[in-house]
Amino acid sequence: EPEVTQTPSHQVTQMGQEVILRCVPISNHLYFYWYRQILGQKVEFLVSFYNNEISEKSEIFDDQFSVERPDGSNFTLKIRSTKLEDSAMYFCASSEGRLSRYEQYFGPGTRLTVT
Amino acid sequence: ILNVEQSPQSLHVQEGDSTNFTCSFPSSNFYALHWYRWETAKSPEALFVMTLNGDEKKKGRISATLNTKEGYSYLYIKGSQPEDSATYLCASNNNNDMRFGAGTRLTVKP
Repeated sequence: EPEVTQTPSHQVTQMGQEVILRCVPISNHLYFYWYRQILGQKVEFLVSFYNNEISEKSEIFDDQFSVERPDGSNFTLKIRSTKLEDSAMYFCASSEGRLSRYEQYFGPGTRLTVT
Repeated sequence: ILNVEQSPQSLHVQEGDSTNFTCSFPSSNFYALHWYRWETAKSPEALFVMTLNGDEKKKGRISATLNTKEGYSYLYIKGSQPEDSATYLCASNNNNDMRFGAGTRLTVKP
């Protein structure tokens, strides 16, 4: 069964460093998403991506964040200068179509620890 | 309601019991309501996507209903089994934003 994959499973970085979190969405899916969950808090939407551009983003997704689909399979989230409060589990997801109609499939997550 | 709220926060039932949880969500600019099953150390697994007022969906022993006018959805599990133990998460798609509830953690005791 096709699945969303994410690498690495755990990333430790120092404050101020750049990190890139990688995702491989399901191959025939057209919409891609990033979410995060800070420990003990709700899952939060960061950004959605369609047709090689951002379609929606939340207030959390500020200038330090960027997303890219550098090739036909990978979907990446870059955090330019990490802060302590960026420590969270980051989930990638993908769907065939818009969330108003289609299920989305989540990856296993990347746990980011900023020290 | 601006946020998505779920109740109860946790629930312990005996094997064979039927149970239900509630998800409250903003009714304005509503597009869809998503339910997920989230087992520990795994990723959320999609259960249902519901869009229309009065929608009812069923998958095995799990079913869900949707009331978009008052902004709530119920998830029902009939004859709970230990393997149903998980966190059940709902998320509301409004204005192309996705807002998640905190989840209901279900524990089914054999």
